[in-house]
Amino acid sequence: TQLLEQSPQFLSIQEGENLTVYCNSSSVFSSLQWYRQEPGEGPVLLVTVVTGGEVKKLKRLTFQFGDARKDSSLHITAAQPGDTGLYLCAGVMDSSYKLIFGSGTRLLVRP
Amino acid sequence: DTAVSQTPKYLVTQMGNDKSIKCEQNLGHDTMYWYKQDSKKFLKIMFSYNNKELIINETVPNRFSPKSPDKAHLNLHINSLELGDSAVYFCASSQEGWGRDNEQFFGPGTRLTVL
Repeated sequence: TQLLEQSPQFLSIQEGENLTVYCNSSSVFSSLQWYRQEPGEGPVLLVTVVTGGEVKKLKRLTFQFGDARKDSSLHITAAQPGDTGLYLCAGVMDSSYKLIFGSGTRLLVRP
Repeated sequence: DTAVSQTPKYLVTQMGNDKSIKCEQNLGHDTMYWYKQDSKKFLKIMFSYNNKELIINETVPNRFSPKSPDKAHLNLHINSLELGDSAVYFCASSQEGWGRDNEQFFGPGTRLTVL
């Protein structure tokens, strides 16, 4: 059982569609990060959210941290083929050095 | 300029061999990490060093031994390789190892295949 569960595990959509990826846990995190990983490369940080209820936008990507700081969502508007990749959420627990990664969501945006 | 670099990119070896993966970061960060990513893409922390001191040591077989000769380098040595060690190993670094804004910068990964 993983501490951070992401859903869906895999998503294949047409260019121009909207989508939402969820990251859920029963544990509280002091912050939550979203990374994107492309094939053959390491994950790259997209955003960090630290306050319960916080919403951050990065162009067509909208990130939200749950009020109780146990969950997060990533919403992509008008997806493009360049959005294709593995999306990973990662949580920092209070008083911990460790970054706990979620199970990952593989996104494929078809032209 | 590559921020976090790893060598080699690919490593194919026989069971029972000993191998090393090297990692270097030129970001001036204090903390470095080794992660293992399995075939299902799950990324799990193995070790972390802060200023050459081991601060995280997860439940990893003692065949795996990290070594940090200085703040900019964290190498991973693996003894008696087993089939289950096949995975992609990522090195990462961050300015601090503590706190909420722990942005980690990852290397390109080393794909280890044990035959």
